[in-house]
Order: sequence, then structure tokens, then C-alpha cells
Amino acid sequence: NAGVTQTPKFQVLKTGQSMTLQCAQDMNHEYMSWYRQDPGMGLRLIHYSVGAGITDQGEVPNGYNVSRSTTEDFPLRLLSAAPSQTSVYFCASSPTGGAGYGYTFGSGTRLTVV
Amino acid sequence: SQKIEQNSEALNIQEGKTATLTCNYTNYSPAYLQWYRQDPGRGPVFLLLIRENEKEKRKERLKVTFDTTLKQSLFHITASQPADSATYLCALDRSSSNTGKLIFGQGTTLQVKP
Repeated sequence: NAGVTQTPKFQVLKTGQSMTLQCAQDMNHEYMSWYRQDPGMGLRLIHYSVGAGITDQGEVPNGYNVSRSTTEDFPLRLLSAAPSQTSVYFCASSPTGGAGYGYTFGSGTRLTVV
Repeated sequence: SQKIEQNSEALNIQEGKTATLTCNYTNYSPAYLQWYRQDPGRGPVFLLLIRENEKEKRKERLKVTFDTTLKQSLFHITASQPADSATYLCALDRSSSNTGKLIFGQGTTLQVKP
């Protein structure tokens, strides 16, 4: 049981490049979320999904796209990387949202945009 | 909008003592509140969840209280150990229901000295 797997663990991008951060979970969880964590800002929600085919914006969605074609996978796409997107990105999943269970987090992707 | 406040100053205590961390929220009462532990370079790990109709929840050496009148949750670690040293985050739903969209506090760093 791998839990939530994020790849890559580290990435350096040049301004304007695009990339996809991968997230996969093997727990059959319906809810999945992407957060970014910056010093002094805490974790901020980027996008989230309550099931395959259903996504919604979080607090800081600009510059990011998501899709959820399967229950297992929830990739995060950076359309045109900017230095302001330098951050640590976490993917998380939960069976039913926050009222019943906590979220299981991945180990994170540390992204640097130069 | 809902905001969460956690003491940004590190909490330093002696091994064996009880650590008490505070989480205050500013607006509506959430349907639930969660506590997570985060170690440096790692993703948050879910510890406890308490619902709006519960005043107290326990798990081994951990205890969480939820006071909707004070708009506050307290997180206690009894008989603290150096291995408890970490940053502790509280989180709640962005609405008064269960959307699964979490807001996180910035976290309080706990240092337990032997």
C-alpha cells in the first residue's frame, strides 16, 4: 500500500516552461487536493476534486490546471512557470472529505522556477 | 472569510511535560477541525479530527478540545518526548459544511528538550 505518490521530488524550471506534477493514490479515495506551501504562508489550496471528472478551484488556482480522469490520478499542470510558483507542492487524498477522515499527504515536490 | 491563527512562536518544553498548542478561528464554526504533524522536508501527517458536536477527543497521549464559543481548539501532548518535536498544523473546512476544502494554520513548532 503506497498511499499518495508524488513525482518528481525535485524540479527546476525556467520561466515560461510548462510541466506536470504527478499525483497517484492507491487507496480508492474520492477526494484529492493540491496544496502549495510557502514560508510564512502555510498550506494553501490550489485545486481539488471530489471524484473522477469533478474538479474545483481552491484559494490560489491561477496559473495551474487540473483534471481527474481516474480515481487514482490527479495531475497538476503549470501552464507557463513563473518565479512566484517556486514552492513545495503537496497532493493529498481522503475517502470522504474532512468530516469523516483526515487527508493523507504525499511527500511533496519541491519546485524552483528561475 | 475564515482565518486560522496558530501561535507562530516556537513552543519549547521539557521532556515529560504537557505541551498545549492553540488554534483559533475567526468566523463561522466549522463542521470539524483537524490536527496534523509535519516534520521538516515531509508532508503533513493526520493526527486527530474533532467534530463540531464533540468537546474532546483522545488518542493515546494526544488530546484535542473544541470550544465553539471561544472559537478555539487546544491540542495537548501529555508526557512529551523529544520525538514529538515537529510542527503541528490545525485545519478546518473552508465552509461550515463538509466541502473537503481545507484551510490550514501556519503551524506551531514544538521543541521537546531532554
